[in-house]
Amino acid sequence: GAGVSQSPSNKVTEKGKDVELRCDPISGHTALYWYRQRLGQGLEFLIYFQGNSAPDKSGLPSDRFSAERTGESVSTLTIQRTQQEDSAVYLCASSRGLGFEQFFGPGTRLTVL
Amino acid sequence: DAKTTQPPSMDCAEGRAANLPCNHSTISGNEYVYWYRQIHSQGPQYIIHGLKNNETNEMASLIITEDRKSSTLILPHATLRDTAVYYCIVHNYGQNFVFGPGTRLSVLP
Repeated sequence: GAGVSQSPSNKVTEKGKDVELRCDPISGHTALYWYRQRLGQGLEFLIYFQGNSAPDKSGLPSDRFSAERTGESVSTLTIQRTQQEDSAVYLCASSRGLGFEQFFGPGTRLTVL
Repeated sequence: DAKTTQPPSMDCAEGRAANLPCNHSTISGNEYVYWYRQIHSQGPQYIIHGLKNNETNEMASLIITEDRKSSTLILPHATLRDTAVYYCIVHNYGQNFVFGPGTRLSVLP
């Protein structure tokens, strides 16, 4: 079946602009996660959604970052007033429940000039 | 913070077994050991997980010590395509995953 998809695959933006990244999880997966991975570094947890529960936003680095999820489907990660340090690959994953194995998308490579 | 300790890098000859260690001395009784890997420019990929018994699947074997304070991921016949960063994670259902820096495995021809 279809895996996790993310769009766009690449995004180049100017400092100060807002960007929106999209994630389509595997159908039926109730948990959805966002991670950030800077060049040559490990995964940095940002936020997760589990069903209708309030999302865990503890990993969001600043109030410029926000995320939404519509029911148990698509999620969007929004970065406002982008900064050069926001340049990274943003990975989305989904799982059939919190704590079950996660299936990752290919990521969105964000470059802030 | 990650609850695991892994060597930063390892080399393995192609065709030989790759044995990747992981220490998790503070693991609690209901926490599982998970392994993921990340091949360059791709998202992480689930490999295997276990609680206390050894596990095997088509990708790898997981050996967990009796006291559960450490484990070893075994790739029985490493290929060049197994070159990746391997992450060992301990967690319980209902908790989020915390990825540490992992082990960078280089399979050499």
